[in-house]
Amino acid sequence: DIQMTQSPSSLSASVGDRVTITCRASHGIRNSLNWYQQKSGKAPELLIHTASTLQGGVPSRFSGSGSATDFTLTISNLQPEDFATYYCQQSYSTPRTFGQGTKLEIK
Amino acid sequence: QVQLVQSGAEVKKPGASVKVSCESSGYDISWVRQAPGQGLEWMGWINGYSVSTNYAPKFQGRVSMTTDKSTSTVYMELRSLRSDDTAVYYCARDLGGYGKLDYWGQGALVTVSS
Repeated sequence: DIQMTQSPSSLSASVGDRVTITCRASHGIRNSLNWYQQKSGKAPELLIHTASTLQGGVPSRFSGSGSATDFTLTISNLQPEDFATYYCQQSYSTPRTFGQGTKLEIK
Repeated sequence: QVQLVQSGAEVKKPGASVKVSCESSGYDISWVRQAPGQGLEWMGWINGYSVSTNYAPKFQGRVSMTTDKSTSTVYMELRSLRSDDTAVYYCARDLGGYGKLDYWGQGALVTVSS
């Protein structure tokens, strides 16, 4: 199985800040990397697919980059609704695997 | 408007089975679970015509995913339940099985307790 490792596990930031979350794959996965946002008690929502393509309806302050083994999710100009947990997931091979999550909290 | 509607919460005893449904409009579906306070775990995929399935090795032999085409409902059955199967079970649209989970159901909490 491909292991996905996110860092940091948690992050405190303020409204208006720019934050970056990193995801590393144990094997090269080309650009087969998706990012999800999950708010407390809710189902995850797809933010970005194929490493850098914004899902429809997702604000442009979200961006993704990377390929092979190293990927980043960047959120610019943090808004109150962005405080949530973020997961990366590889779609290169099965079983699909997720990172352990990064909890973004208000400072 | 894509909407996936799942069945409700269940309480089961260890060793029992649970069957969770997802009204899927014929879409290809992946199942993902989340134990309390934990991360996301992919269980497997079924195509909308129920011709193909792809189960995670961890669940192989204990999980079955099926489709009722007459009602456009997908089912996930997990057998020989243990306490560590307590989790919220989500269905998510996964067209072609490419792993892009673009729409999710609301989740169904399954509690395994004696």
